[in-house]
Amino acid sequence: EPEVTQTPSHQVTQMGQEVILRCVPISNHLYFYWYRQILGQKVEFLVSFYNNEISEKSEIFDDQFSVERPDGSNFTLKIRSTKLEDSAMYFCASSATGEDTQYFGPGTRLTVL
Amino acid sequence: GESVGLHLPTLSVQEGDNSIINCAYSNSASDYFIWYKQESGKGPQFIIDIRSNMDKRQGQRVTVLLNKTVKHLSLQIAATQPGDSAVYFCAENTGNQFYFGTGTSLTVIP
Repeated sequence: EPEVTQTPSHQVTQMGQEVILRCVPISNHLYFYWYRQILGQKVEFLVSFYNNEISEKSEIFDDQFSVERPDGSNFTLKIRSTKLEDSAMYFCASSATGEDTQYFGPGTRLTVL
Repeated sequence: GESVGLHLPTLSVQEGDNSIINCAYSNSASDYFIWYKQESGKGPQFIIDIRSNMDKRQGQRVTVLLNKTVKHLSLQIAATQPGDSAVYFCAENTGNQFYFGTGTSLTVIP
């Protein structure tokens, strides 16, 4: 069964450093998403991406964040200058259309020291 | 120091019993809803979905009920098994965004 994959599974970085989280969505899906989940809290929407551009973003997704689909398979989330409060699980998801089931990856645990 | 986080509602059931998990959603314009299961350290896993033009949908051992009048969603799990132990949360779709609830922690007692 096709699945969303994410790398790395755990990323440790120093405050102020840039990180890039990588995702490979399900191959025939057209819509891509990033979510985060701070430990013990609910999943929060960050951004949705379709047709090589951002279609929606939340208040969390400020100028420090960017997304890219550098090739036909990868979907990345970049945080330019990490802050302590960026520590969270980051989940990538994809869906075939913009209004049906989103399939989540296993997540990347980001720890900012 | 004191840890900050949400206290999840919890539900404990005996193995073999039925479980009912509830969710209140906020936006009457939401037209698509999903129940997810999240096991510790893993990403959310799709269980079942329902569109706003339906009141009930059944899957394998799971049923979702939608009451649009009171903006309430429930997930029923039949013959609950130890492998069902996880956090369950609903998500509502409004426009292109999904909004997730805080979740309910289900513990199945063998």
